[in-house]
Amino acid sequence: GQQVMQIPQYQHVQEGEDFTTYCNSSTTLSNIQWYKQRPGGHPVFLIQLVKSGEVKKQKRLTFQFGEAKKNSSLHITATQTTDVGTYFCAGPGSNTGKLIFGQGTTLQVKP
Amino acid sequence: EAQVTQNPRYLITVTGKKLTVTCSQNMNHEYMSWYRQDPGLGLRQIYYSMNVEVTDKGDVPEGYKVSRKEKRNFPLILESPSPNQTSLYFCASSLFSGAGANVLTFGAGSRLTVL
Repeated sequence: GQQVMQIPQYQHVQEGEDFTTYCNSSTTLSNIQWYKQRPGGHPVFLIQLVKSGEVKKQKRLTFQFGEAKKNSSLHITATQTTDVGTYFCAGPGSNTGKLIFGQGTTLQVKP
Repeated sequence: EAQVTQNPRYLITVTGKKLTVTCSQNMNHEYMSWYRQDPGLGLRQIYYSMNVEVTDKGDVPEGYKVSRKEKRNFPLILESPSPNQTSLYFCASSLFSGAGANVLTFGAGSRLTVL
């Protein structure tokens, strides 16, 4: 079945270092979404990408959607302790009402 | 305030004792869904509903039931809970299920322990 894979599963960085998580879908996606879940919290929507090759920025966060619309990435520049959490990508299932999530990347930032 | 409300937030129960986790949204969303979150497995969809009286299985529906009698409510029912259903459960909703309107708003989560 359709799968969305995310790597790495965990990442530990020193505060100030950069961080990137990658998302790959087994099928072409009409759009891709990114969510952040703080420790002990619930997933919160960050952004949606729709166009092939699209790049969007939110302060230190840069989101990219691949040309083939099968992969995406989230890059954080100069991480801060407030960036700690799990980042999920999600894409709509083909011909279904599902939103399929990647396994998530858990980011820990050492001050 | 626009939100998805789940109850209970925490529950410890015993094997076989039926329980219901309620979920309510005040945003007039058509689409609602239940997920369970387990370490290393991310968010796995249990059931979803595209509108009133329309429900469908997600990836891990075994042992669960749902109903959608009203637009705002989407309860998750565990008829005979087992220890492998110990998990963190999230209810979520979106305006529609189609592209462009499928951004999910999540509830705060319900942590269930089955002994």
